[in-house]
Amino acid sequence: EVQLVESGGGLVQPGGSLRLSCAASGFTFSSYSMNWVRQAPGKGLEWVSYISSSSSTIYYADSVKGRFTISRDNAKNSLYLQMNSLRAEDTAVYYCARVYSTERRVYYGMDVWGQGTTVTVSS
Amino acid sequence: EIVLTQSPATLSLSPGERATLSCGASQSVSSSYLAWYQQKPGLAPRLLIYDASSRATGIPDRFSGSGSGTDFTLTISRLEPEDFAVYYCQQYGSSPPRFTFGPGTKVDIK
Repeated sequence: EVQLVESGGGLVQPGGSLRLSCAASGFTFSSYSMNWVRQAPGKGLEWVSYISSSSSTIYYADSVKGRFTISRDNAKNSLYLQMNSLRAEDTAVYYCARVYSTERRVYYGMDVWGQGTTVTVSS
Repeated sequence: EIVLTQSPATLSLSPGERATLSCGASQSVSSSYLAWYQQKPGLAPRLLIYDASSRATGIPDRFSGSGSGTDFTLTISRLEPEDFAVYYCQQYGSSPPRFTFGPGTKVDIK
């Protein structure tokens, strides 16, 4: 079964740090680009960061640039998000999501999602 | 930077009715980079449509996508009880490179 499982969320004070992990199984993780997407309570979806299959290409949303770092370990089938200098507005459910692609091309939709991990930034 | 808008914000319909959801872009979007998702409360989003009109694996054919340029549409031909949810459009833009979601349309039971 194709699956993504996030972990690492929790309660952190403003200015603090947290590292999220996403464990992939059931597919060749090293062949796929990945995203982190978040959803604040009662709000819509917000893209956070993108990493290509080989880690050669990385993008960030302006709202997290300079504070968050995306990385992956293909040997461990894992995706990470290091979050520093956290703010109250970073409070959200964080999802990892696979970028849909085939051997022919990348489609830039996200076809597999984890269940999400909750990050709460509060004093 | 491309901004996506969705209308209406809420659509109140009965099972069996047709739902038409709109997604507008502030600049022309490549159809190859336009997707639609369904999200139910407490669950992760589910990919419905990619490339503006291609159904993702396992998606029933009552869901269809269309459009090009700045105007895109998700149509649910006959609403089933399980279709009442929030729907998001999403685009990928390369300049600057980023993914953008629309604010969502909630389809609820009339």
